[in-house]
Amino acid sequence: GQNIDQPTEMTATEGAIVQINCTYQTSGFNGLFWYQQHAGEAPTFLSYNVLDGLEEKGRFSSFLSRSKGYSYLLLKELQMKDSASYLCAVRDADYKLSFGAGTTVTVRA
Amino acid sequence: IAGITQAPTSQILAAGRRMTLRCTQDMRHNAMYWYRQDLGLGLRLIHYSNTAGTTGKGEVPDGYSVSRANTDDFPLTLASAVPSQTSVYFCASSDSADTGELFFGEGSRLTVL
Repeated sequence: GQNIDQPTEMTATEGAIVQINCTYQTSGFNGLFWYQQHAGEAPTFLSYNVLDGLEEKGRFSSFLSRSKGYSYLLLKELQMKDSASYLCAVRDADYKLSFGAGTTVTVRA
Repeated sequence: IAGITQAPTSQILAAGRRMTLRCTQDMRHNAMYWYRQDLGLGLRLIHYSNTAGTTGKGEVPDGYSVSRANTDDFPLTLASAVPSQTSVYFCASSDSADTGELFFGEGSRLTVL
């Protein structure tokens, strides 16, 4: 099974940078995903890491260290619309995806 | 472009009643999933199907059943609803030949009284 931990809440100022950490313990690892979920909406895909290192996609970057069971999502140049919940998810060898409880990010002006 | 469609969007149900949540995708994805989302607990996997004709149990399968008669449809049935099944239910699909990212439906909000 999977054990996925991420902070419950984070607050940051518009234009700033926020880093959301995620640690996991898994019986079989087949990729790590980050999703964004606005209140009352469905989750949407942000990033995917299967090898160690940094994946950059515009203002968002995601890092993975498989040996440490650690990932982070970096949000740069924060905008008000980035206020949402960010979900860390780990895929196992059977292609099942397990989610952390999510980190609610609040961006303040 | 429809993607993945769930119905109903919202439902209030008396305890003990039978309820089926429908999920249909038009992306020809081989894998489909049902999650429930509860405050503070995140998304928890109920059942999944890696391909038509096969299903598997997730983290919280008790009280739920699924079927996968074809590629497009993956209904979730509550045989006898209980108040603890009050939740938001998300159906998702993925193409395991690609990165395998999940595409989610808009969710079904179920209240069991």
